[in-house]
Amino acid sequence: AQSVSQHNHHVILSEAASLELGCNYSYGGTVNLFWYVQYPGQHLQLLLKYFSGDPLVKGIKGFEAEFIKSKFSFNLRKPSVQWSDTAEYFCAVFLRTGANNLFFGTGTRLTVIP
Amino acid sequence: DVKVTQSSRYLVKRTGEKVFLECVQDMDHENMFWYRQDPGLGLRLIYFSYDVKMKEKGDIPEGYSVSREKKERFSLILESASTNQTSMYLCASRQVSGGYHGELFFGEGSRLTVL
Repeated sequence: AQSVSQHNHHVILSEAASLELGCNYSYGGTVNLFWYVQYPGQHLQLLLKYFSGDPLVKGIKGFEAEFIKSKFSFNLRKPSVQWSDTAEYFCAVFLRTGANNLFFGTGTRLTVIP
Repeated sequence: DVKVTQSSRYLVKRTGEKVFLECVQDMDHENMFWYRQDPGLGLRLIYFSYDVKMKEKGDIPEGYSVSREKKERFSLILESASTNQTSMYLCASRQVSGGYHGELFFGEGSRLTVL
C-alpha cells in the first residue's frame, strides 16, 4: 500500500532555530508533492508544491522543500523559525496514475518557543 | 481567491441523529473531498467526488454517505451518528483540467461532537 511518512510527530524549537521536517513516501512513479500548514484554529493552507522542474521549491513565509527522487523524500526546511510558525504541518503526495491517488502524512506539530 | 465554505463550524448531536454537513466551493472545481481529521491520524479520506453525481469511497466510508447534485456543493451525511464519529470534518476542492490536478483548497472545518 502507498504511504506517506512523517516521522516527527512533535517538534519543539526556539525562535531563530533552523527547521527540517521529514517526509518520505513509498511510491516509485511520478508524483506531485505538497506541504500544507494548519495554524491554530485555521484551515489547512498550501505552503508549497512540487510538480516538475527544479527540485528545490520555495513557498510562502520563507519555507522551502527539496524533492530527492532517489530517497523518495520531500523534506520541508526553514532557516530561522518564528513563534508564528507554530502550527501543524502535513505532507501530501499525489500519484499521477489516477484521479484520487492523494495521500496525506499524519502531520508534524511544530511548537516554537519565543 | 478560492473559497470553500462549510456550513457549520461546530455541531453537537446525539447518538442516532442524522447529521448533514454541507460544503460549497465558488471556483467551479471538478473534484470535491470529505476528510476527517483526528489527532495522530492525520487526514483520512471519507468520500471523493470527481464530478456532479459521481462519487467514490475513500479509506473510511462506513457510516457515511455523500451527495453531489450540483457542482459547487458536496454534502456529507451521517445517517445515524455514533460517538466514534466525533471528529473534525474537512471539505476540500480541486481543479482538474486536461490531466492537470491542482492542489486542494480546504474549508475551515466542522467540528462534530456526538453525545
